[in-house]
Amino acid sequence: NAGVMQNPRHLVRRRGQEARLRCSPMKGHSHVYWYRQLPEEGLKFMVYLQKENIIDESGMPKERFSAEFPKEGPSILRIQQVVRGDSAAYFCASSPSTGGVGTQYFGPGTRLTVL
Amino acid sequence: QQQVKQSPQSLIVQKGGISIINCAYENTAFDYFPWYQQFPGKGPALLIAIRPDVSEKKEGRFTISFNKSAKQFSLHIMDSQPGDSATYFCAAPNADKLIFGTGTRLQVFP
Repeated sequence: NAGVMQNPRHLVRRRGQEARLRCSPMKGHSHVYWYRQLPEEGLKFMVYLQKENIIDESGMPKERFSAEFPKEGPSILRIQQVVRGDSAAYFCASSPSTGGVGTQYFGPGTRLTVL
Repeated sequence: QQQVKQSPQSLIVQKGGISIINCAYENTAFDYFPWYQQFPGKGPALLIAIRPDVSEKKEGRFTISFNKSAKQFSLHIMDSQPGDSATYFCAAPNADKLIFGTGTRLQVFP
């Protein structure tokens, strides 16, 4: 059973470009969470999605950031018009429908560098 | 946002020694306290977790001690090994999200 998959693993963008980060949850998992980790810091919650629904986006910046988890395909975290402060590691986690927050499994992360 | 405060920020331990990492929380509604281990360039991996109805949980060399009245919990790594060198995060759930501590970078020297 493959774990949570994220791609790309490394992404370099210039200021003003768009970044798209993908997350494929573990098989059978229908809940996806996105977290951001700045260097030398802990992980900060961004958004929680179920298939086709955003459940909690309280950690998402109000502008430039959006997330989706379509019926088919991976979850996407999209950052428009990136700035240097967006440079961070972005982790996706998934959990089964009955597991709740206590059974989150994390992917390897996407390391975004904004030049 | 409810906080989870973690200490120390970094820890150096000799092989065979005991590593102790502490966390304190504010929200008494928290009902699950996991610890995550993260190696450089990797995602966090669940190491061990405890619920507040028990005071201690042990899995191999890893033990969580929980003090409900003090709102504190700690991770003990017995017989620390160089392979344990990693960053450790405590966490607590707040509704549908995990609130993470700031992390402890553990280095175990031979």
